[in-house]
Amino acid sequence: GNSVTQMEGPVTLSEEAFLTINCTYTATGYPSLFWYVQYPGEGLQLLLKATKADDKGSNKGFEATYRKETTSFHLEKGSVQVSDSAVYFCALSVLNAGNNRKLIWGLGTSLAVNP
Amino acid sequence: GAGVSQSPRYKVAKRGQDVALRCDPISGHVSLFWYQQALGQGPEFLTYFQNEAQLDKSGLPSDRFFAERPEGSVSTLKIQRTQQEDSAVYLCASSLVVGSGQPQHFGDGTRLSIL
Repeated sequence: GNSVTQMEGPVTLSEEAFLTINCTYTATGYPSLFWYVQYPGEGLQLLLKATKADDKGSNKGFEATYRKETTSFHLEKGSVQVSDSAVYFCALSVLNAGNNRKLIWGLGTSLAVNP
Repeated sequence: GAGVSQSPRYKVAKRGQDVALRCDPISGHVSLFWYQQALGQGPEFLTYFQNEAQLDKSGLPSDRFFAERPEGSVSTLKIQRTQQEDSAVYLCASSLVVGSGQPQHFGDGTRLSIL
């Protein structure tokens, strides 16, 4: 079946530290991969995506590379800011019956960045 | 509107009551998804519409859950005879077309509490 496993939080970092949030997946077919972010009190927002192997998604200083050989899509940022404090979700989509591309989600990783 | 709109933001109901949750997707978006998110968890898929057709309802947890999208735009998720385990945040998402890598755009969700 299809599943996403991401590292458990909470993750606490100091401002300007390097961030890695690990995400691995299992999937039948050829999934697209996503990172979504949920800031406190707000809805889920797409952070970045990659649709095929070796693609790199990037946005707001965050990056993730679609690694088919290791079935991974780790999220990285070189220098985090207090404003990056949020919950980060890794997700995949594959084509299902009924032309459905529902998202399969990880449990989320809470990040707190201290000044 | 500019984004996906859900109402109400918060709903409190007594066990056994029926509730209806509304989703107004981004105008012109073909695909509409409902997800359920329990506290501290990632979202779980409930059901999927392509225009007015409900193509996948495999995630609905019981026959007490019913969703419709009669004109291919606004959707309603109805829960009959609510139970305490129905307490969760219900998320609606829409995407423009059906296709690999199409991001889903989320509303802020409806937080349902069953007393």
